[in-house]
Amino acid sequence: DVKVTQSSRYLVKRTGEKVFLECVQDMDHENMFWYRQDPGLGLRLIYFSYDVKMKEKGDIPEGYSVSREKKERFSLILESASTNQTSMYLCASSLYSGRWETNSPLHFGNGTRLTVT
Amino acid sequence: SQQGEEDPQALSIQEGENATMNCSYKTSINNLQWYRQNSGRGLVHLILIRSNEREKHSGRLRVTLDTSKKSSSLLITASRAADTASYFCATDAFKGSARQLTFGSGTQLTVLP
Repeated sequence: DVKVTQSSRYLVKRTGEKVFLECVQDMDHENMFWYRQDPGLGLRLIYFSYDVKMKEKGDIPEGYSVSREKKERFSLILESASTNQTSMYLCASSLYSGRWETNSPLHFGNGTRLTVT
Repeated sequence: SQQGEEDPQALSIQEGENATMNCSYKTSINNLQWYRQNSGRGLVHLILIRSNEREKHSGRLRVTLDTSKKSSSLLITASRAADTASYFCATDAFKGSARQLTFGSGTQLTVLP
């Protein structure tokens, strides 16, 4: 089974801090994604990556950046945390079948619940 | 607004009954996927239906897709207490230069023992 591991289940940070959320997958998947989940809003895509060192903006990239230096690891960075970034953050990966091909199912980690005070 | 919108937002049924959740979307899609999320956990993929398919089964799950109405439904038959979870539809469509999965806000299903 694919395993997607997020480094922290719960995180509490102060406004203005730089925050790193780490995600590692063990199935050699090409695609990796960061979503945030808020009540009533579902999952919203922040950033995604099709390959090492490649990144693309999702629907809500403002205030975030990402890093993918190795295939198995995809990091989400909050440059200067704000209270409106308090949320559940979900990392996911999927098997690469070509950028234009059908999106294969996503495999999710268990999430990091971030609170910014 | 969300590409996929689930209906109802919440559903409460007795064990053994069937549960039906609906998903509507706005643009043309390549496929539609359903996911389940247990409280405090990540999402788990349940089933994928392609745009040229009308119905698909997997165990107690039955998914239908009506592209003319831009809607899908997920039926869980003979529900169990363990089916209690949130269920999300996700539409696979071109967005800008690439294909993306866009999730709805989910249906919270409670199955009472």
